[in-house]
This record gives sequence, C-alpha cells and structure tokens, in this order.
Amino acid sequence: GEDVEQSLFLSVREGDSSVINCTYTDSSSTYLYWYKQEPGAGLQLLTYIFSNMDMKQDQRLTVLLNKKDKHLSLRIADTQTGDSAIYFCAETGAGSYQLTFGKGTKLSVIP
Amino acid sequence: KAGVTQTPRYLIKTRGQQVTLSCSPISGHRSVSWYQQTPGQGLQFLFEYFSETQRNKGNFPGRFSGRQFSNSRSEMNVSTLELGDSALYLCASSLAGTGTNTEAFFGQGTRLTVV
Repeated sequence: GEDVEQSLFLSVREGDSSVINCTYTDSSSTYLYWYKQEPGAGLQLLTYIFSNMDMKQDQRLTVLLNKKDKHLSLRIADTQTGDSAIYFCAETGAGSYQLTFGKGTKLSVIP
Repeated sequence: KAGVTQTPRYLIKTRGQQVTLSCSPISGHRSVSWYQQTPGQGLQFLFEYFSETQRNKGNFPGRFSGRQFSNSRSEMNVSTLELGDSALYLCASSLAGTGTNTEAFFGQGTRLTVV
C-alpha cells in the first residue's frame, strides 16, 4: 500500500528553526497536510498544500513540496517551547476520502 | 464556532463487550471519518461517511462498523472487543471529505481501554 515516512525525533534549541521532513510514495497524492498533536490531545491542523504548489507560507510555518522526489518539509521559524509536540505528515488522493499518515516526528525544544 | 465533539472522552470496557463512540462534526460539515491511533500502528483509517453513505473503508475486521445520521453526527461501534482494540479513536470532520479542497478538523478523541 501507499506509505508516508518521517524521522521519529528532532531536537532543536529555542529560537532556532526546525525542519521536519516527510516522504511519500503515492504519486496521485493531491493534498498534503501537517498536523500537530500535543500530549493527550487530538490532531490540530497546521497547514496543507495542494500538489501543484511548491511552497506555502503561513506566519512562522513554511511548507516546501518537491513533487518529483515526493518530499515534503515543514519549517518552523523561531521555534518556541510551546512547539514541542508530535508532528504528523499526511497525504490524500483525489476521491480517496482518507488520510494516510506518517508515524509522526516528536519535536523537542530545548530552552 | 464549535469544533468536533467526541463522546465519551474515556472508556474502559471488558473483552467481549461492545462499545459505541459518538462524533458530532462542525456545523455544516457533511463528511465524517474515523481513525484509530495506537503506539505500534500509528494512525489508521477506519471509514468515512458523507450524507449518511459510507464512501470508503479501511482494512479493519467486520467487528468495526459505523453509521452517520441525517444531522451528520456519526457513531462507530466495535463488537466483541479485544485487548488490541485499546486505542485513541479520532474523528475528523470536513465539508466534503479529504481529497477535496477542504480542511479536515479532528476532535480530541475517545480513549478506549479494553481490559
């Protein structure tokens, strides 16, 4: 089946930029999402990008998509301790009505 | 506006019992999908409903079922519970379903523990 891969852990210092990477295998993916999950909570939608876009910026968040390499990244500028959480990459294909998630990247921010 | 509401938040059941979980989507959203989250398997898709019709189903046994009502509220049912069904069950709501140009918003989840 289709697959989404992420590294499991990332540690950064407060104030630095964080870059979380994701690769996917489904060439028919139309939308790619980034979700944040804090302990004991559900998933919070951070941003999403349509497959015909290369980049999307939203305040401290920048999403880059390399469709040829099936690589997605999320950059968080000026990372704060409140950004510590698990970040999930997800993709969906047109008409599939389901999200395929990566295993999540646990971001730890060191004060 | 109110977000996605899942009830109950926590549930403890015994093996062999059945359980029903509820999800109320954001007002105006007609698509509801369900996901199971476990430490080992991560987030896995269960099923998706739109206007009371199931449009897609994940790879789960027939013990897992769901339905959607005319007001878009959805329930999922798990019969003959097994220890491995212990998980966080998440519901997502969107206007038209993921894979369309709409965002999917998740509820806080129902934590099911099977003992």
